[in-house]
Amino acid sequence: DIQMTQSPSTLSASVGDRVTITCRASQSISTWLAWYQQKPGKAPKLLIYKASSLESGVPSRFSGSGSGTEFTLTISSLQPDDFAAYYCQQYNSYSRTFGQGTKVEIK
Amino acid sequence: EVQLEESGGGLVQPGGSLRLSCAASGFTFSSYEMNWVRQAPGKGLEWVSYISSSGRTIYYADSVKGRFTISRDNAKNSLSLQMNSLRAEDTAVYYCARTGYIQDAFDIWGQGTMATVFS
Repeated sequence: DIQMTQSPSTLSASVGDRVTITCRASQSISTWLAWYQQKPGKAPKLLIYKASSLESGVPSRFSGSGSGTEFTLTISSLQPDDFAAYYCQQYNSYSRTFGQGTKVEIK
Repeated sequence: EVQLEESGGGLVQPGGSLRLSCAASGFTFSSYEMNWVRQAPGKGLEWVSYISSSGRTIYYADSVKGRFTISRDNAKNSLSLQMNSLRAEDTAVYYCARTGYIQDAFDIWGQGTMATVFS
């Protein structure tokens, strides 16, 4: 199975900060990577697919990049609504594994 | 409105069974691949199972293989997960999720249903 490793596990930031989360795959997954946002008690929400494509309705301050084994999710200017957990997911193989998550907290 | 709604969660003892259901509305259910994803309390997301639009292709995570069975009824716009031989580590919120055509990622999620395995 392909393993996905996110870093950091927790990130403390302030409103207006530029935030970057990294996701590494244990083998190449081309650009078959998605990013999700999850708030407490809610279902995950798709933000980015195919590594860098913005899902419809998602604010443009969210962006994704990378290919192969290393990927990043960037929030250009953190807003109050962005404090949440973020997960990467590979879909190169049938076993669609998630990273362990990154919690973005208020500094 | 495009919607998924899970039901069937509850309390069960180890070794017991539960059947989860997911009702789809607002889209052509029979055209979409579907999945189950779970989240143990305070933990991350774990993909559990996949079923193709026709139901002919099915995959499971190793952690549930041989114990869980995914199925769908396209005439009733319904997805199911039969969970047998349940263990404490199966305690989680279970989400059904649609695989989007364009995205090939999980674009629509239900609100989740909680399954608790306790002794």
